[in-house]
Amino acid sequence: SQQGEEDPQALSIQEGENATMNCSYKTSINNLQWYRQNSGRGLVHLILIRSNEREKHSGRLRVTLDTSKKSSSLLITASRAADTASYFCATEDTGRRALTFGSGTRLQVQP
Amino acid sequence: DAGVTQSPTHLIKTRGQHVTLRCSPISGHKSVSWYQQVLGQGPQFIFQYYEKEERGRGNFPDRFSARQFPNYSSELNVNALLLGDSALYLCASSLDGLRSADTQYFGPGTRLTVL
Repeated sequence: SQQGEEDPQALSIQEGENATMNCSYKTSINNLQWYRQNSGRGLVHLILIRSNEREKHSGRLRVTLDTSKKSSSLLITASRAADTASYFCATEDTGRRALTFGSGTRLQVQP
Repeated sequence: DAGVTQSPTHLIKTRGQHVTLRCSPISGHKSVSWYQQVLGQGPQFIFQYYEKEERGRGNFPDRFSARQFPNYSSELNVNALLLGDSALYLCASSLDGLRSADTQYFGPGTRLTVL
């Protein structure tokens, strides 16, 4: 079963704009991770945020985590056409090393 | 260094048949996990193996089985295929899979179509 929901399901923006995706989950977690997937291929790990962290940056990516609301957001700044992909959040639940994925956000960046 | 490799890339089977999917982890990684991704959904966890032992199992029927070999490569087997088994099967490797926040690196997947 899926861990939670991602919002929006689809997002279309212009190159240079910022893209924000949200993820909600249901259980206690060790960490939350974001992955990118291009056209049904393998997943690429983007960033990991631990349960005791509130914000993390990596290049043009900014991730926040609110454990009290069981939610996370991924911000991609100054988007590029190459950012077009599906983005998934995945949680590592406490007591379990397997990842539980959300349903994903399909991002389309128009050149 | 090579990443995670999976074979075959694509596979077409008919209902009732059996399939074996293969995965080679990144060199030095001892843990392999398998995920099923149905079109339009996120991946779902099937199995995790570490040092040839099953460390975790998702909510999948007994038709699904897996094993890990001494060289840490892994096979996923699915018996009595159903139409609903059509999906992208992803393999992920990690250093040991026991520590929290041990990053999982995914292979390109095997696209299975059941007719």
